[in-house]
Amino acid sequence: KAGVTQTPRYLIKTRGQQVTLSCSPISGHRSVSWYQQTPGQGLQFLFEYFSETQRNKGNFPGRFSGRQFSNSRSEMNVSTLELGDSALYLCASSLGGTGKGNEQFFGPGTRLTVL
Amino acid sequence: DQQVKQNSPSLSVQEGRISILNCDYTNSMFDYFLWYKKYPAEGPTFLISISSIKDKNEDGRFTVFLNKSAKHLSLHIVPSQPGDSAVYFCAASGNSGYSTLTFGKGTMLLVSP
Repeated sequence: KAGVTQTPRYLIKTRGQQVTLSCSPISGHRSVSWYQQTPGQGLQFLFEYFSETQRNKGNFPGRFSGRQFSNSRSEMNVSTLELGDSALYLCASSLGGTGKGNEQFFGPGTRLTVL
Repeated sequence: DQQVKQNSPSLSVQEGRISILNCDYTNSMFDYFLWYKKYPAEGPTFLISISSIKDKNEDGRFTVFLNKSAKHLSLHIVPSQPGDSAVYFCAASGNSGYSTLTFGKGTMLLVSP
């Protein structure tokens, strides 16, 4: 069974630009969550999509948005990039239930650098 | 307010000895706990989990203990190996229909030969 894939793996952008990151979940997984990891901050939850609907959202500004397609693939968009958006963006998929159904499996991440 | 806390940013252990990583949580609604391991430039890898109805779960060299009254869990790795050197994240979820994972900030484990 193929794992979670994320594209691109690395991205360099300049302030003010916008960026779109893509995530393909494990086959059969309907939930996709996005996290931002910065040094010293651990994994901070951005949002979660299930069956094309955003179910949960973290405390990030509206510049961060996402969507999910009917095949469960998800995209994350960041508009008007700021230097502080430089981070590793991780996507995770799960069955979407509680307990064991919420065991999330992560992709390799997209390393975004904003200059 | 951090709901999941890993108070030790780092831990050094010799190969063959036991590694004990600790995690505390504050939200009494959490009922499922997970440990992830992360190497640099890679995504976290799921290691082991435990439901709140249990107090111990074992998988090979990895054992997770849960003390609900103290809101504390720990991951034991026995014996530790150099390949275990990584950042370990503790995560928790609740049972409110569906739930995201709340992560601690991680503990970097270094296992020396």
